[in-house]
Amino acid sequence: KQEVTQIPAALSVPEGENLVLNCSFTDSAIYNLQWFRQDPGKGLTSLLLIQSSQREQTSGRLNASLDKSSGRSTLYIAASQPGDSATYLCAVRQGSGGGADGLTFGKGTHLIIQP
Amino acid sequence: EPEVTQTPSHQVTQMGQEVILRCVPISNHLYFYWYRQILGQKVEFLVSFYNNEISEKSEIFDDQFSVERPDGSNFTLKIRSTKLEDSAMYFCASRPPGRINQPQHFGDGTRLSIL
Repeated sequence: KQEVTQIPAALSVPEGENLVLNCSFTDSAIYNLQWFRQDPGKGLTSLLLIQSSQREQTSGRLNASLDKSSGRSTLYIAASQPGDSATYLCAVRQGSGGGADGLTFGKGTHLIIQP
Repeated sequence: EPEVTQTPSHQVTQMGQEVILRCVPISNHLYFYWYRQILGQKVEFLVSFYNNEISEKSEIFDDQFSVERPDGSNFTLKIRSTKLEDSAMYFCASRPPGRINQPQHFGDGTRLSIL
C-alpha cells in the first residue's frame, strides 16, 4: 500500500528566504505526483504536476523535482512571501493502469512566512 | 477560471440520518472524484467516477456510500446512515478528458458535522 510522508510537518521562516519542502513515497510505480496548496477552510489548489517521466516542473517561484526511483520529491519556493503561508500537500497517482486514478496524499507541511 | 463548486459549505446532521453532498464539476471534465479529510488527518480518496459508473473505490467507500450523476452537471455523494466518524471535510474533484497526466481540480469542500 502506498504511503506518502512529508517533512517537515511545520516550518516557519522569515520573508525572502528560499525553502525546500520534502515528500517521500514508498511505492515508486507512480504515474505522476502533484503538489497542492491548502489555505485554512478552503479546498486544494493544484500548484504543479510532475509526470513520472519528468525530473522537474517550474511555475513562477515554485520548482518541483521528482526522483521516482528513490521515491522522493521536493518543492522549492524561491523568495518566500507572507502570501505563501499555507499547508502544502504532496499527492501521488498510482500506476495501477486502467482508469483508476485516486490520489494518495501526504499529511502536508504547514508553512508560515513571517513578514 | 472555471471552478469546481460544492454545496452546502457546511452541513450539520443527526447521526443515523441520510445526507447528500453536491458538487458541480468543471463543465468539460469527464472524471469525477470524492475525497474526505478528517480533522487533523490526511486527505483520503473515496471514489472515482467515469462514464456514469464507479471506476475505483477505496476501502472507506462501503455500502453506506453511493455516488450519482443525476444530470449533466451535478455529481453527488450520498451517505445513507451517518455515523459520528463520518464527520469530516468532503472534497469533490474533477479532471479533464484526455491523457491521465492531467491535474485534478478540487472544490472548496463541504464540512459535514454529525451530532
